[in-house]
Amino acid sequence: ETGVTQSPTHLIKTRGQQVTLRCSSQSGHNTVSWYQQALGQGPQFIFQYYREEENGRGNFPPRFSGLQFPNYSSELNVNALELDDSALYLCASSKGGDRDINEQYFGPGTRLTVT
Amino acid sequence: GDSVTQMEGPVTLSEEAFLTINCTYTATGYPSLFWYVQYPGEGLQLLLKATKADDKGSNKGFEATYRKETTSFHLEKGSVQVSDSAVYFCALRNSGGYNKLIFGAGTRLAVHP
Repeated sequence: ETGVTQSPTHLIKTRGQQVTLRCSSQSGHNTVSWYQQALGQGPQFIFQYYREEENGRGNFPPRFSGLQFPNYSSELNVNALELDDSALYLCASSKGGDRDINEQYFGPGTRLTVT
Repeated sequence: GDSVTQMEGPVTLSEEAFLTINCTYTATGYPSLFWYVQYPGEGLQLLLKATKADDKGSNKGFEATYRKETTSFHLEKGSVQVSDSAVYFCALRNSGGYNKLIFGAGTRLAVHP
């Protein structure tokens, strides 16, 4: 186990709704990255938070947003859910920030189904 | 942009067979390369990594060598076990940017007794 936890494990939402996913990072880590893994695909980078600021973003629309809290836990918010948002959402924590190559430790993921 | 290409699965092997999963990459600069493994119902676990050309990463009997001339990082294991059944992802992290991983599509490995 990596010490990275995510909640909830599974959830089902309806198209157009909003969802919040949560991630607790490993002790001593100040960076959290979020990834979307569609069925049968590799994870795609959504964004990264370092010391409560977004410091990198992948090719995802603005309805994907996030927060990082003073204890370095993080939330991923998705507004106006679409069917294609159905995926496993992974968070990964690491030490350091920009240009650091520290290993990312992944949580077990949240499986989101949009109907 | 940077990308990773893996051989398509599933790969089905008998126990104790030799495993190779091919991975090639496209990247500017000097990326670091990784293999992650995902067991059913779990998140990703780092299996091994290599940070510069000709480095060999190894762990739990798995090996991969960073080949800059062929832009490859093929995963190998001499004798697979049923417990190795999982999905394997090749990934890169490019130098000069923040700590963002770019993954291949994954290769499912099924090992039968």
